[in-house]
Amino acid sequence: SQKIEQNSEALNIQEGKTATLTCNYTNYSPAYLQWYRQDPGRGPVFLLLIRENEKEKRKERLKVTFDTTLKQSLFHITASQPADSATYLCALLRRGSQGNLIFGKGTKLSVKP
Amino acid sequence: GAGVSQSPSNKVTEKGKDVELRCDPISGHTALYWYRQSLGQGLEFLIYFQGNSAPDKSGLPSDRFSAERTGGSVSTLTIQRTQQEDSAVYLCASSGTGKSYEQYFGPGTRLTVT
Repeated sequence: SQKIEQNSEALNIQEGKTATLTCNYTNYSPAYLQWYRQDPGRGPVFLLLIRENEKEKRKERLKVTFDTTLKQSLFHITASQPADSATYLCALLRRGSQGNLIFGKGTKLSVKP
Repeated sequence: GAGVSQSPSNKVTEKGKDVELRCDPISGHTALYWYRQSLGQGLEFLIYFQGNSAPDKSGLPSDRFSAERTGGSVSTLTIQRTQQEDSAVYLCASSGTGKSYEQYFGPGTRLTVT
């Protein structure tokens, strides 16, 4: 069966450390992966996109990697801050699809001061 | 500019009643999506509109759910004969004509069926 999984429901880290979130998928052929941030009571906000032929993308303190052999994407937040506390969602677009994203359930990140 | 807006923000309805949820996408965005998010669950795709093409309805859970998009802009999601399992946050998103498919989400409508 096709699945997209974010391994941790919750991740607690200390301020200043690097947070690493995992997204694994099975039986999909993704054209690319996206990462979104969702705060309570709000809709998701787009953060980063990485294509199937890209290994790594960076944006400020954020870094995303994509390993199509392992069928895995890692999302890193360096020098984490309490304001980074939120739920982070990964989503993939299947190759040939027109825009219908498949979302994981998310990882709730808590950064403690 | 203005983002995606949805109305109402909250809706409480009795089981068996019909409800309509509205989405105003970002002006100029050709693609519009509806998702459903239940407590502890990921976003579940419902329906997708792209320009004047026939919508992709493959995610609609039953024939009680329908959606339309008028004039390529505003969209309405209708749920007929609501059931308690329909209780969820309904999210609308839109995206532009670029190939990145980056989606801009509205704040959602929280539907509670009593």
